[in-house]
Amino acid sequence: AQKITQTQPGMFVQEKEAVTLDCTYDTSDQSYGLFWYKQPSSGEMIFLIYQGSYDEQNATEGRYSLNFQKARKSANLVISASQLGDSAMYFCAMRGGKAAGNKLTFGGGTRVLVKP
Amino acid sequence: KAGVTQTPRYLIKTRGQQVTLSCSPISGHRSVSWYQQTPGQGLQFLFEYFSETQRNKGNFPGRFSGRQFSNSRSEMNVSTLELGDSALYLCASSTGLAGPMEQFFGPGTRLTVL
Repeated sequence: AQKITQTQPGMFVQEKEAVTLDCTYDTSDQSYGLFWYKQPSSGEMIFLIYQGSYDEQNATEGRYSLNFQKARKSANLVISASQLGDSAMYFCAMRGGKAAGNKLTFGGGTRVLVKP
Repeated sequence: KAGVTQTPRYLIKTRGQQVTLSCSPISGHRSVSWYQQTPGQGLQFLFEYFSETQRNKGNFPGRFSGRQFSNSRSEMNVSTLELGDSALYLCASSTGLAGPMEQFFGPGTRLTVL
C-alpha cells in the first residue's frame, strides 16, 4: 500500500520569502511518480510539478522546485519568492506502478498563508 | 484547449435520493478518474475509467458507480445517499498512456446531503 505524509498542517510565510513544504512517502513500487497540487479556496486542484522515481535531476517549474531525496523517500516542494496568490492548500500525491493505473494517493495537505 | 469541466457545480439532495455527476475531460484525454474530498477523510480515489472500461477502483461501497462514454465523458452515480456522502467530488483527466501522465482536475461538484 502507498502512503503520503505531510506533517505540516499549516504555515505562515512572509511575502517574497521562500517556503518549503514537507512530503514523505512510502511505497514498495520501484517505478512511481510524485506530484504536487495547489488547491485554492475555489476547490480546483491545480497541477504544479511532477517528479518521476527514475529522474536524476530535481524537477523545477518556474517558482516551484521539488527537492527529491529518494533514499529518504521525501519529495519536498519549495516555493521561491512567495506571492499573496500562493495562499492555498498544497497536496503531495503519488502514483504507483503499472497496476495502480492513474490512481493518485494524496497526503493530508498543508495550508499556506502568505502574509504581506 | 478547454479544461476539464464538471456539472453541476453545486448540488443539494436529501438522504435516500440518488445523484449523477458529469465530467468532460480535456479533448484527446481517454482517462477519467474520480475523487471524493471530505474534511475528515481527505482526498480519496473512487475509480478510474479508460476507453470506457473501469481500470481501477478504490474502497467505496457499491452505491458509488460510474461509467464512461465513447467520447470519454464520464458520469458518476451515487445511489441511496447518506449524510456522509456530502463532499467535493473531483474528476481528473489524463491521456492514460505511458509517461508522467499528469492529471488535470476539474473545478469539482460540491454535493450536500441533507
